[in-house]
Amino acid sequence: DIQMTQSPSSLSASVGDRVTINCRASQGISNYLAWYQQKPGKVPKLLIYAASTLQSGVPSRFSGSGSGTDFTLTISSLQPEDVATYYCQKYNSAPGTFGQGTKVEIK
Amino acid sequence: EVQLVESGGELVQPGGSLRLSCGASGFTFSSFWMSWVRQAPGKGLEWVANMNQDGSDKYYVDSVKGRFTISRDNAKNSLYLQMNSLRAEDTAVYYCARDRRGATVGHYDYWGQGTLVTVSS
Repeated sequence: DIQMTQSPSSLSASVGDRVTINCRASQGISNYLAWYQQKPGKVPKLLIYAASTLQSGVPSRFSGSGSGTDFTLTISSLQPEDVATYYCQKYNSAPGTFGQGTKVEIK
Repeated sequence: EVQLVESGGELVQPGGSLRLSCGASGFTFSSFWMSWVRQAPGKGLEWVANMNQDGSDKYYVDSVKGRFTISRDNAKNSLYLQMNSLRAEDTAVYYCARDRRGATVGHYDYWGQGTLVTVSS
């Protein structure tokens, strides 16, 4: 099965900073990649699908890029409400494996 | 409004069985692939299983193959997960999720609140 590896595992940044989270697939998955945000004690929320398509209602400060094996989630200007754990998920074929998560905190 | 409501989670002994249910409303349930995703306490998300609209196509993560069975009843707008031979490592919150893509596996635009399964003696 294809493995999904996120980096870093955690990060701390200041409000207004640009934040980048990486996700690497062990084999090519084209653009079948989604990003989710999970705030503490809450249900995961879909942010981006097809590697770069923003889900309806998600703030435009979130963006995604990449194709093949390397993908990036970018928060252009970190806000306090963005404190959460972020997960990538591949969905080119079953199983729909998730990355291990990246925890984002405010410095 | 799309709603997914899981139930059936409880404390069960190792080797035991449990059946989870997910009731769906606010959309045409029979038109969507549906999935189960779990999250062990303090850990990340793990994809568990999914199935297509009429139940003819099902996929499982290796760790549950032969022990878990996903099923659905479109007349009742319900998704199920039959879990047998439960192990301590199956302890998790189990989420029901709607697959937006509509293919072998997809991404999830709606999630339930989850139901906690605890496997312990």
